[in-house]
Amino acid sequence: GAVVSQHPSRVICKSGTSVKIECRSLDFQATTMFWYRQFPKKSLMLMATSNEGSKATYEQGVEKDKFLINHASLTLSTLTVTSAHPEDSSFYICSARGGTDTEAFFGQGTRLTVV
Amino acid sequence: GQNIDQPTEMTATEGAIVQINCTYQTSGFNGLFWYQQHAGEAPTFLSYNVLDGLEEKGRFSSFLSRSKGYSYLLLKELQMKDSASYLCAALDSNYQLIWGAGTKLIIKP
Repeated sequence: GAVVSQHPSRVICKSGTSVKIECRSLDFQATTMFWYRQFPKKSLMLMATSNEGSKATYEQGVEKDKFLINHASLTLSTLTVTSAHPEDSSFYICSARGGTDTEAFFGQGTRLTVV
Repeated sequence: GQNIDQPTEMTATEGAIVQINCTYQTSGFNGLFWYQQHAGEAPTFLSYNVLDGLEEKGRFSSFLSRSKGYSYLLLKELQMKDSASYLCAALDSNYQLIWGAGTKLIIKP
């Protein structure tokens, strides 16, 4: 299947700093990318959907000024957690789709720990 | 509203067969996916059904009944490495993925 690369896989940052997570589709053009957050033993929680070249659509309750999403090209989307706090510690996963009726390919996930 | 239901946890024995059920209610329907997720890792794709019937892929098979809003994932010849969470997800009319909470499958020797 297609490959989605997410980087970094683990990051520890200090409270108040910002962290950028990258999601790249390596061998296909991702017209749509999704960002999820997953708490331990919980299902995926969709944070936002981004289409290349346009602003991301955020789910209700997700602060767009805190979780900045950029989808500048068909192969790259970034999620920046701004002014991180310990409660932002979580597993963040991106997924990408090349078309509306195709499977979503997932990145490896990023374990964020804010201390 | 849109909803996906699947059991929270199931236990099975190595070498046996297990069936994980999923029922869905969505605004429109454009297919159903099953993903496997090991602890601490991202989900990996297992199957996609959009037509009624059974799709077989090695030890894993997936079934769909659109009229009943029902799907199941069948795992045969269970191996210890099959211990994972299995996520059911339906594509709605807007081609958005609606995710179930996942079924944690525990395999015992």
